[in-house]
Amino acid sequence: SQKIEQNSEALNIQEGKTATLTCNYTNYSPAYLQWYRQDPGRGPVFLLLIRENEKEKRKERLKVTFDTTLKQSLFHITASQPADSATYLCAPPNNNAGNMLTFGGGTRLMVKP
Amino acid sequence: ETGVTQTPRHLVMGMTNKKSLKCEQHLGHNAMYWYKQSAKKPLELMFVYSLEERVENNSVPSRFSPECPNSSHLFLHLHTLQPEDSALYLCASSQEFDSGTGELFFGEGSRLTVL
Repeated sequence: SQKIEQNSEALNIQEGKTATLTCNYTNYSPAYLQWYRQDPGRGPVFLLLIRENEKEKRKERLKVTFDTTLKQSLFHITASQPADSATYLCAPPNNNAGNMLTFGGGTRLMVKP
Repeated sequence: ETGVTQTPRHLVMGMTNKKSLKCEQHLGHNAMYWYKQSAKKPLELMFVYSLEERVENNSVPSRFSPECPNSSHLFLHLHTLQPEDSALYLCASSQEFDSGTGELFFGEGSRLTVL
């Protein structure tokens, strides 16, 4: 069955550094992958979408890569700020059928001033 | 403000109660979703409606009953729930379902506690 893995341990980094979060998937080949941010007690908010034919996607301080050989997506936040502290979720589609996303468990990022 | 409004934000109910969660989207989308988020577990897709037709029922127990009267409204009717059903229930909408790549817009969630 399809499996999405994100590091369940919190990532603690110093303000100004680059945060790198990992999303690994097994047993299927998603046509795209989405990344969301979720703050405690709130709904997830869409950040970026990257397609299988795109190696890299950028938006302001955010960068996502998609390596279909390694079956992995990396999510980077450069010049991180305390306001970036949140849980980040990767979400490839379920069976590439319609807009049904399967979410990873998320990685909590803590940026310390 | 995401354009997706969920009510109530918090709900406490006994196992024999009947209650409903409501979701309304003001984005003109034609697909709506219910997700469940339990503590320390990933979001679980429960139901998907596209153009008011249910397209996915992800092996959800019958004590959860969805209703989509039109493309702007989605309900989740709750009946005879168990304490393990306590979770954050999230509603989402997207522009289209079939195109497959639309981002989801989530509401703030309804925090349900079953006693």
